Amino acid sequence: GNSVTQMEGPVTLSEEAFLTINCTYTATGYPSLFWYVQYPGEGLQLLLKATKADDKGSNKGFEATYRKETTSFHLEKGSVQVSDSAVYFCALRLQGAQKLVFGQGTRLTINP
Amino acid sequence: DAEITQSPRHKITETGRQVTLACHQTWNHNNMFWYRQDLGHGLRLIHYSYGVQDTNKGEVSDGYSVSRSNTEDLPLTLESAASSQTSVYFCASSESNGPEAFFGQGTRLTVV
Repeated sequence: GNSVTQMEGPVTLSEEAFLTINCTYTATGYPSLFWYVQYPGEGLQLLLKATKADDKGSNKGFEATYRKETTSFHLEKGSVQVSDSAVYFCALRLQGAQKLVFGQGTRLTINP
Repeated sequence: DAEITQSPRHKITETGRQVTLACHQTWNHNNMFWYRQDLGHGLRLIHYSYGVQDTNKGEVSDGYSVSRSNTEDLPLTLESAASSQTSVYFCASSESNGPEAFFGQGTRLTVV
């Protein structure tokens, strides 16, 4: 079936550290890929997306590249801030479909 | 500004009671979704709708029902609440084939 696997959390880093959160997927065809972020006490909001192979999504200093050969969409940021502390979800949407399939989420804590 | 709102934000109910969670969106989106969020499982799809009078079961639909009588609302009903339904529930909406889903702030439901 279609699924998304994220690295286990929680992840704790110091401010200005480099961040990678791994995400791999299993899907038929050519899905669109997304990263959503959930700040404490809030709903999810879209962070970035990519709709085809080799596309790079970017927003707020975060980047992720759609790698079809490795079925991956890893999230990276060069220098994290305390305000980046949140839960991050990787998700996919199949071609022609409307539903999102989510990974289990990774809780990120940034210490000053 | 358009938005999606859920109510109540917090609810405590007793086992066996019927509970309805409200979701209202002013985006005029055709697609609406209900997810539950549990530690270690990420977000799992309960029910979804692609338009008025359309409803579909998601991966964890047992014990839940929805109805779509207008574009703006997709209430989620727990027919007979069980402790296993203690969770945080998120409603989301999106345009048909739109690039992004918009989420409500969530409802924390506790079944005692």
